[in-house]
Amino acid sequence: DIQMTQSPSSLSASVGDRVTITCRASQDITNSLAWYQQKPGKAPKSLIYAASSLQSGVPSKFSGSGSGTDFTLTISSLQPEDFATYYCQQYKTNPLTFGGGTKVEIK
Amino acid sequence: EVQLVESGGGLVQPGGSLRLSCAASGFSFSDHFMDWVRQAPGKGLEWVGRVRKKANSYSTDYAASVKGRFTISRDDSTNSLYLQMNTLKTEDTAVYYCARVGLNWNFDYWGQGTLVTVSS
Repeated sequence: DIQMTQSPSSLSASVGDRVTITCRASQDITNSLAWYQQKPGKAPKSLIYAASSLQSGVPSKFSGSGSGTDFTLTISSLQPEDFATYYCQQYKTNPLTFGGGTKVEIK
Repeated sequence: EVQLVESGGGLVQPGGSLRLSCAASGFSFSDHFMDWVRQAPGKGLEWVGRVRKKANSYSTDYAASVKGRFTISRDDSTNSLYLQMNTLKTEDTAVYYCARVGLNWNFDYWGQGTLVTVSS
């Protein structure tokens, strides 16, 4: 199975900060990577697919990059509605696997 | 508007069975692979399994943790997805989400989830 490792597991940031979350795959997944945002008590929401493509309707403050084994999700200017948990997911091979999540909290 | 609505969750004893349903609307259900993803309380996301579309013979894949106990099926005539869960264990306690596999292979739409609690 492909292991997905996110870092950090949590971070504290202020409104307006630029935030970067890292996701590392245990083997090459080319660009078969997605990012999701989840708020407490809610279903995950798709943000990014194919490592860097923005899901329709998602604001451009979210961006993704990377290929192979190393990927990043960046929020350019953190807003109150962005405080949530973020997950990466590989869809290169079954079983599909998720990272452990990164909780973004208010400083 | 794409909508996915799960139902069927509840409290069940270890060793018991439960069937979850997911009602889909707002898109051509038969054209999409559909998956189940679960989330144990306070934990991360775990993929459960997939059912492909008719053109792929409705084939299925499962996570190792549920293989042989869970069965995913679909009814394209009623736009419904199902998860039959047998021989349930306490570690199956989770919110279960149905999710649509988009054209780009990510999960582009998710249901609101249904809670399954396995406890004596």
